[in-house]
Amino acid sequence: SSELTQDPAVSVALGQTVRITCQGDSLRTYYASWYQQKPGQAPVLVNYDKNRRPSGIPDRFSGSSSGNTASLTIAGAQAEDEAAYYCNTRHSSGNHVVFGGGTKLTVL
Amino acid sequence: QVQLVQSGGEVKKPGASVKVSCKTSGYIFTSYEIVWVRQAPGQGLEWMGWISAYSGNTKNAQSLQDRLILTTDTSTSTAYMELRSLRSDDTAVYYCARVLNFGDFVSFGYWGQGTLVTVSS
Repeated sequence: SSELTQDPAVSVALGQTVRITCQGDSLRTYYASWYQQKPGQAPVLVNYDKNRRPSGIPDRFSGSSSGNTASLTIAGAQAEDEAAYYCNTRHSSGNHVVFGGGTKLTVL
Repeated sequence: QVQLVQSGGEVKKPGASVKVSCKTSGYIFTSYEIVWVRQAPGQGLEWMGWISAYSGNTKNAQSLQDRLILTTDTSTSTAYMELRSLRSDDTAVYYCARVLNFGDFVSFGYWGQGTLVTVSS
């Protein structure tokens, strides 16, 4: 079982805002990183550290954190945002890394 | 531009070993850690371990501690992942990835295309 908990599935209407959450004790200490993965493709980093985006990632993807919960918010979801989203962070025990189980986002 | 190109798919029998390569280009190889992540069919991402391309230091997931060997060849800017004593539940797509920034163990900014390893008798 994953030490980071994500909702298995979330849906959002086209153009609306959606929040994907990730819960775990390690998030009280470390920031989460977020990845988007489309079927048959490698994951893509979309947000990391304290709400930072790699080059080329649209600014509709934003990250936040409070207590033991990290969130990825997609403002104005587009059809191309339909994908699985994974969070990860450093495990509280050391230099290990843990992933959440993933959230499948459907854009209606 | 940064590129990570992995070796091709493999089919192995239970108990065998597999070695996957990850050839990098477009950056100074020794300046960034390489991580390995796997994904079983229809499942989520699983962090396997990381290696410092500078020092060769490694850290493996506890579940793979005794079976996983991570190495690098700085002369060819290539990272390798060897998994021993393969079992059927090791069937997965294996990814190498480069950390986005030196010392950031969790933000994997560049990924290989993935290598499917199938373990079957």
